[in-house]
Amino acid sequence: DTGVSQDPRHKITKRGQNVTFRCDPISEHNRLYWYRQTLGQGPEFLTYFQNEAQLEKSRLLSDRFSAERPKGSFSTLEIQRTEQGDSAMYLCASSFDSNSPLHFGNGTRLTVT
Amino acid sequence: QKEVEQDPGPLSVPEGAIVSLNCTYSNSAFQYFMWYRQYSRKGPELLMYTYSSGNKEDGRFTAQVDKSSKYISLFIRDSQPSDSATYLCAMSPNTGGFKTIFGAGTRLFVKA
Repeated sequence: DTGVSQDPRHKITKRGQNVTFRCDPISEHNRLYWYRQTLGQGPEFLTYFQNEAQLEKSRLLSDRFSAERPKGSFSTLEIQRTEQGDSAMYLCASSFDSNSPLHFGNGTRLTVT
Repeated sequence: QKEVEQDPGPLSVPEGAIVSLNCTYSNSAFQYFMWYRQYSRKGPELLMYTYSSGNKEDGRFTAQVDKSSKYISLFIRDSQPSDSATYLCAMSPNTGGFKTIFGAGTRLFVKA
């Protein structure tokens, strides 16, 4: 068990470009979550999957954001037409079931210039 | 008013001190209470996980939950410089991890 893995660790992009992040959860966990964290704040929920089904999306997830989890394994989070306000740490977490705690990866730090 | 309130600190203590970290919350539906440790440029790492009220101890760490006061605490005994990090409290109702709400975190510095 290598924990939750995220790639890339850091992404620098210019405003207006599209970016995609990948998350590989702990293998036996069927729930996968995306959170966003800005400096000095705790993580904020974006969306979550149970297996391949996306079951909940936060109002923070604008139309420019899309997440997928094909085959219920890894997940991708895409941001289209990035804006400077998208600069943040994007964290992926997984859990065994609904009453189990979240286990986080080390995040992807996005910088939009 | 935020659902979860946590003093951002920073909190600076000498090595060996007992550290007390706290959070208050407003939603009485919260049943699961967690503490995470986050080092700079890393993801949050789960430290303690408790259900409902009471105490839980794990090594140098003790978590306390007082649901009547809507108040949770994390105590660190014999603090070490390696404990220097941001500590996030988190809580959720029993209806799914996606409803986990985090505090803003308290920055802790343990001086050698």
